[in-house]
Amino acid sequence: AQTVTQSQPEMSVQEAETVTLSCTYDTSESNYYLFWYKQPPSRQMILVIRQEAYKQQNATENRFSVNFQKAAKSFSLKISDSQLGDTAMYFCAFMKQGRGYALNFGKGTSLLVTP
Amino acid sequence: GAVVSQHPSWVICKSGTSVKIECRSLDFQATTMFWYRQFPKQSLMLMATSNEGSKATYEQGVEKDKFLINHASLTLSTLTVTSAHPEDSSFYICSARGDSARISYNEQFFGPGTRLTVL
Repeated sequence: AQTVTQSQPEMSVQEAETVTLSCTYDTSESNYYLFWYKQPPSRQMILVIRQEAYKQQNATENRFSVNFQKAAKSFSLKISDSQLGDTAMYFCAFMKQGRGYALNFGKGTSLLVTP
Repeated sequence: GAVVSQHPSWVICKSGTSVKIECRSLDFQATTMFWYRQFPKQSLMLMATSNEGSKATYEQGVEKDKFLINHASLTLSTLTVTSAHPEDSSFYICSARGDSARISYNEQFFGPGTRLTVL
């Protein structure tokens, strides 16, 4: 079974600063997908960024970027120019083709952006 | 983007009663739907995966007789919590995966969740 580990239960960053959330995973698969989801207080899950394992280039979405290290099985999320609206729980998730493409989530990191 | 709705958003029921939660894909056909459970300040735990017209696949430790899942159409899946007890109180989230030219096959779209409180 795949495990996803987020070692930072809580983090805090000042507005406009940069913060990096870490995620490691364990798998024997070669083909898989990795995701970062945001869950604000409304509890609606929002996709932040996605990375296909076969792509070497790190994914970027505006202020959000990842550092994908396949050999190290590491998938960290960098948030640049942090905004108050970034305050949320962030979940790292793993998906493989089996099990109908179900997601396996890490325990999450609670991010607080302060003024 | 693709939209998934859940109904109800919040339900309170008495112990021993059954509760049905609906999950609908509003603007796409969902090849597969997933049901997750989330306890306060915890992560999402996959309960089951369902494909339209076939029996759901339950994760280890999930009682299939207690959590009945029906995926009768490509846009609707239901989760019925039978004989609910206070320990079943939780936040239940569904997601749907489509497969079309418009939607990437590996993307899931999440419903807003249903808060179940069993008294």
